[in-house]
Amino acid sequence: ETGVTQSPTHLIKTRGQQVTLRCSSQSGHNTVSWYQQALGQGPQFIFQYYREEENGRGNFPPRFSGLQFPNYSSELNVNALELDDSALYLCASSLGLASYEQYFGPGTRLTVT
Amino acid sequence: DAKTTQPTSMDCAEGRAANLPCNHSTISGNEYVYWYRQIHSQGPQYIIHGLKNNETNEMASLIITEDRKSSTLILPHATLRDTAVYYCIVRVAYSGGGADGLTFGKGTHLIIQP
Repeated sequence: ETGVTQSPTHLIKTRGQQVTLRCSSQSGHNTVSWYQQALGQGPQFIFQYYREEENGRGNFPPRFSGLQFPNYSSELNVNALELDDSALYLCASSLGLASYEQYFGPGTRLTVT
Repeated sequence: DAKTTQPTSMDCAEGRAANLPCNHSTISGNEYVYWYRQIHSQGPQYIIHGLKNNETNEMASLIITEDRKSSTLILPHATLRDTAVYYCIVRVAYSGGGADGLTFGKGTHLIIQP
């Protein structure tokens, strides 16, 4: 196990609703990245936070937003949920921006109906 | 666009060496080769990375060709627990500016047969 935890494990939401997913980084890790993994696909990068600031973003619309807190835990918020948002959402923590290794949590399975 | 090409699936007998190939013919001089794997129902796990020299750690060995256009991940004595999707990723080390994350393809589904 990596020491990265995510909650909840599973979640079912209705189209148009909003959702917040949470991630607790490995101790001492100040960088967190979020990924979306659709069924049968590899994870896709959503964005990264470093010391509470967004540091980079993939090809995701603004309704995907995030926060990182002083203790380096983080949230992923998705507004106006669409059916295609159904996926496994993974967070990964690392020690600094130049770290070679990212430590992934087990993910949150989001189903949008 | 995918920077790497991997076979969709491979089988290997338990106890034998598993050799997973990856083509990255457009790799740049400052790009590293990373390998991650994802066991069913878990998040991806870092395995190993390298620039141009062969690398070995407690999990695996990474062999990079001299022209760096391809590489092979070797699991020396595969066990049933090594059944997973293996991702080969190329990326630069962070050099300032915004991060772009890891770019995962579809990977290779390695099945270890008893």
